[in-house]
Amino acid sequence: AQSVTQPDIHITVSEGASLELRCNYSYGATPYLFWYVQSPGQGLQLLLKYFSGDTLVQGIKGFEAEFKRSQSSFNLRKPSVHWSDAAEYFCAVGAIDSGNTPLVFGKGTRLSVIA
Amino acid sequence: GAVVSQHPSRVICKSGTSVKIECRSLDFQATTMFWYRQFPKQSLMLMATSNEGSKATYEQGVEKDKFLINHASLTLSTLTVTSAHPEDSSFYICSARLAPYNEQFFGPGTRLTVL
Repeated sequence: AQSVTQPDIHITVSEGASLELRCNYSYGATPYLFWYVQSPGQGLQLLLKYFSGDTLVQGIKGFEAEFKRSQSSFNLRKPSVHWSDAAEYFCAVGAIDSGNTPLVFGKGTRLSVIA
Repeated sequence: GAVVSQHPSRVICKSGTSVKIECRSLDFQATTMFWYRQFPKQSLMLMATSNEGSKATYEQGVEKDKFLINHASLTLSTLTVTSAHPEDSSFYICSARLAPYNEQFFGPGTRLTVL
C-alpha cells in the first residue's frame, strides 16, 4: 500500500537554527516526491520535487530535500529558519506515470518558530 | 509556475442550500483535477478525481450525489455541495495535474461555513 509517514506532528525551532523535517514513504514503484507548505487558511505551495537524477534537490525559500532510496526517505532541510517559515508542511508521493493517480499525502508537520 | 484559482475563497450559506465552488487552471490545461477536503489541523482528504469530459471518480465514503463534480473544460472543474448541512463546513481545496508528470498545483482553497 502506498503511504507517507511524517513522524513529527509538531516541531519548534529557534529563528536562525537549522531545520530537518522527516518524511518516509512506502511505494510500489519509483516515486515522485514532493514537499508542500501551507500557511493558515491558504492552499498548498510547492516547495520542491524529486523526479529523477540528482538526489539532492533545491527548492524555493532556501529549502532542500534529499532522496534516499535505501531509507525510503525524503527529508526536508533548511540551514537557517526564518520566522516566516512557520507553517504546516506536507510530504507527498506520486506515481511516475501519466495516469490519474492522485498524490498520497502525509499527515503534515507543523513548524513553529520562536525568537 | 502553473496557477490554479478557486472561487469563492469563502462562502457562508444556510443549511439546505447548494453551493458551487469553481477551480480553474489559469495558464495550463488540466485533463485531471482533484478535490480535497481538509479539517482543521489535519491533512488533505481526497474526495474525488475529476476528469475532463467524463464522470468523476469518488473516494470511498464520499457521497457522489451530495458532492457533484463537473469537469466540462480543460481549465475548469466545479464542485457543488448539494443540500449543505453544518457538517459539510470545511476547507475545500482543488488541484490541477500538469501533464505529463504527476505534478499537482493547488488552488488557494474555499472556506465553506454552513449555518
